[in-house]
Amino acid sequence: EVQLVESGGGLVQPGRSMKLSCAASGFTFSNYGMAWVRQAPTKGLEWVATISYDGSSTYYRDSVKGRFTISRDNAKSTLYLQMNSLRSEDTATYYCTRGANWSPFAYWGQGTLVTVSS
Amino acid sequence: NTVMTQSPTSMFTSVGDRVTMSCKASQNVGINVGWYQQKTGQSPKRLIYWASNRDTGVPDRFTGSGSGTDFTLTISNMQAEDPAIYYCLQHNSYPWTFGGGTKLELK
Repeated sequence: EVQLVESGGGLVQPGRSMKLSCAASGFTFSNYGMAWVRQAPTKGLEWVATISYDGSSTYYRDSVKGRFTISRDNAKSTLYLQMNSLRSEDTATYYCTRGANWSPFAYWGQGTLVTVSS
Repeated sequence: NTVMTQSPTSMFTSVGDRVTMSCKASQNVGINVGWYQQKTGQSPKRLIYWASNRDTGVPDRFTGSGSGTDFTLTISNMQAEDPAIYYCLQHNSYPWTFGGGTKLELK
């Protein structure tokens, strides 16, 4: 069974940093591209970043480019999202996702809430 | 960027009804579209990929159709467990974009 478990969220001040982790199990992690999707409170879904199966390619939405870094450790089956220079508009639940059938976001974690506030 | 516009934004329906919701892309996205269901307090769940392929375990009352710029999700026989927000997604080009969602409620 595919399992994705996010951790690392919490309350952080504007301008500070936070690193999210996603522990994957139930599949061969190194075979799949992964992505982060976020959802601000009471709002819709927003794609954040994607990383290829081997980490060689990464993609970001414009609003996080230069501030967020997606990475992975295939030996540990873990996905990361390093978030720097956080803003209030980054407040959201962040979901770790995996694709299937060459199409994204087939599997989702339970999400971790990041609140950016002073 | 490709804008995905969903309609209606909300709708009320009854058990047994046929429900149809729309998603329109601002440019041609081929069949690079998925549909997602999010129930209150839960993570989203993918229902449909490549515009019309049902994910494993998804009831056959859910049907996706369309290509290019116009896509539809149909629930043929609304059930009590189907109230949720439904989102479409295009992954034809970055940035991947979701529609704003259609909130489906029971009368």
